[in-house]
Amino acid sequence: DQQVKQNSPSLSVQEGRISILNCDYTNSMFDYFLWYKKYPAEGPTFLISISSIKDKNEDGRFTVFLNKSAKHLSLHIVPSQPGDSAVYFCAASGISGSARQLTFGSGTQLTVLP
Amino acid sequence: EPEVTQTPSHQVTQMGQEVILRCVPISNHLYFYWYRQILGQKVEFLVSFYNNEISEKSEIFDDQFSVERPDGSNFTLKIRSTKLEDSAMYFCASSEQGFPQETQYFGPGTRLLVL
Repeated sequence: DQQVKQNSPSLSVQEGRISILNCDYTNSMFDYFLWYKKYPAEGPTFLISISSIKDKNEDGRFTVFLNKSAKHLSLHIVPSQPGDSAVYFCAASGISGSARQLTFGSGTQLTVLP
Repeated sequence: EPEVTQTPSHQVTQMGQEVILRCVPISNHLYFYWYRQILGQKVEFLVSFYNNEISEKSEIFDDQFSVERPDGSNFTLKIRSTKLEDSAMYFCASSEQGFPQETQYFGPGTRLLVL
């Protein structure tokens, strides 16, 4: 059951350039999407989110784009910094009961080279 | 900045033993969650908890698992009789609201190893 997919297990980018991480989903009931960053031996750290009523959300160096017709979202980091090197998880949620469960992708390891 | 905390950071136990993993959610949050990540696999939802009861649970969350909010600050996950396949990182999360769209904040995790 792969409702949220991150097809690139790894990505390397030069410092100062743009990093683009991609995520696809299959469940049309998802209406809220989040990106988390995770370092080894730590919990996921929230980065940015987007509601299905929007197609773009920006926060500093991070921008998330949502293409609902393609069921695709992407995270842009610009400029990339060596401290951005981590595993990035896409997660999605939809109305279910009285609380929301997140469905995670498998993650993309981003390495930013100095 | 408020954060979710978890104890212990590591737990080693023998198969068949009971373990209790503890979490202190962010103080004004009302919704609490447990997730786990088996090594090399995805982060998976286990259970959500609101108003002193389970809101949702996944098929992983069978009768061996239980959750409790014993006081105003702690949120615990109990595994009654651990199995080898319960070895994983367990993450607690909390959110201020459950819906319509609310961000979940995660703790650092407890690494559970069942021998």
